[in-house]
Amino acid sequence: GAGVSQSPRYKVAKRGQDVALRCDPISGHVSLFWYQQALGQGPEFLTYFQNEAQLDKSGLPSDRFFAERPEGSVSTLKIQRTQQEDSAVYLCASNRGDSRYYEQYFGPGTRLTVT
Amino acid sequence: GQQLNQSPQSMFIQEGEDVSMNCTSSSIFNTWLWYKQDPGEGPVLLIALYKAGELTSNGRLTAQFGITRKDSFLNISASIPSDVGIYFCAGLVTGYSTLTFGKGTMLLVSP
Repeated sequence: GAGVSQSPRYKVAKRGQDVALRCDPISGHVSLFWYQQALGQGPEFLTYFQNEAQLDKSGLPSDRFFAERPEGSVSTLKIQRTQQEDSAVYLCASNRGDSRYYEQYFGPGTRLTVT
Repeated sequence: GQQLNQSPQSMFIQEGEDVSMNCTSSSIFNTWLWYKQDPGEGPVLLIALYKAGELTSNGRLTAQFGITRKDSFLNISASIPSDVGIYFCAGLVTGYSTLTFGKGTMLLVSP
């Protein structure tokens, strides 16, 4: 594909429900990143994969958040027992993973609203 | 989490005016990036800066990597209505994967 795609674009969940957010990175991109963007704020790092290995998950706010990338391409961010404070836009980014690894390309995001 | 300090928070200007915004940090970064985010979209990379003191242009955009490595500046010349959006700075420490973002500067351009 031409860019990073994310689905769904919008998700409304009742408090306590589990949600799963999908990211399809740019084909061939080794590295994949998840960010959380609260209203009026900049994106904040959640977790990072290189291929299928999750190398950094220091930004995950609680053990209710879980991410996986089992085959080194598509990634899923799962949030269990959603809370109102989880409401945010969840952004996925990817890059080639070579020396210019800082050039991260973002998807459109999934806007999660927890009611 | 840590965020960079961006100023101003918002700007409302007339088409054709030049715009300046900046970003500061208490920590040193080895790379500075500037992104633009339109409503309902993800951030789009505008300019990347790799060396302290570096000045880089991309069309009407010019950005500078501060000598102290703790700040960066973005200038937009001759603004046009499609420049409307939120501009984010982001810093990266070499060897780490994570970008640290500012809170953004919202730019509004009046035709």
